[in-house]
Amino acid sequence: KQEVTQIPAALSVPEGENLVLNCSFTDSAIYNLQWFRQDPGKGLTSLLLIQSSQREQTSGRLNASLDKSSGRSTLYIAASQPGDSATYLCAVDTGANSKLTFGKGITLSVRP
Amino acid sequence: EAGVAQSPRYKIIEKRQSVAFWCNPISGHATLYWYQQILGQGPKLLIQFQNNGVVDDSQLPKDRFSAERLKGVDSTLKIQPAKLEDSAVYLCASSLGWLAVNTGELFFGEGSRLTVL
Repeated sequence: KQEVTQIPAALSVPEGENLVLNCSFTDSAIYNLQWFRQDPGKGLTSLLLIQSSQREQTSGRLNASLDKSSGRSTLYIAASQPGDSATYLCAVDTGANSKLTFGKGITLSVRP
Repeated sequence: EAGVAQSPRYKIIEKRQSVAFWCNPISGHATLYWYQQILGQGPKLLIQFQNNGVVDDSQLPKDRFSAERLKGVDSTLKIQPAKLEDSAVYLCASSLGWLAVNTGELFFGEGSRLTVL
């Protein structure tokens, strides 16, 4: 059974800092890995999707990496801003009918 | 392009009452998902449809939850009777589906927040 872990549960950083959010998963046989953002009271917004054959994906100030063999992914946020404050969730797709298994998320607070 | 639409956004009911949530996926998306997100947890898949057929409902509490997707477009999720532990956000998501050219990306609606008193 796939399990996804995100530690720590919460993180607070000053504005402008570069930061890394970690995600680990137990079964390396994945189809893809996705990072989502969730604002309070809102749904999930897809940030980056990394296929199993890829090592990383970039979008603006965000960079996500994937190491399947070690069961890890990181989301790098450059020059953090208060608007980046949200919960970031990692989810892995095992390829069985595109079913996602989510971590509990990391709640990020960027202080002005 | 319109996103995934869900209603109602908020619902408060007493235990043992019933409730229904509605979802309209992105046009052309064959696969539709219902997820349950309890406060402080990641979303958990309840049921997955491919067109109007059920692909996975292994985590759906079938004694009280039911879902349907008539005509392969919009979907309803019903809870009857509700329990206190059903208090959660119910998220609907859609994707192109694996039968199409599909990256596997899911698109989520804003969710329906249920409070059971």
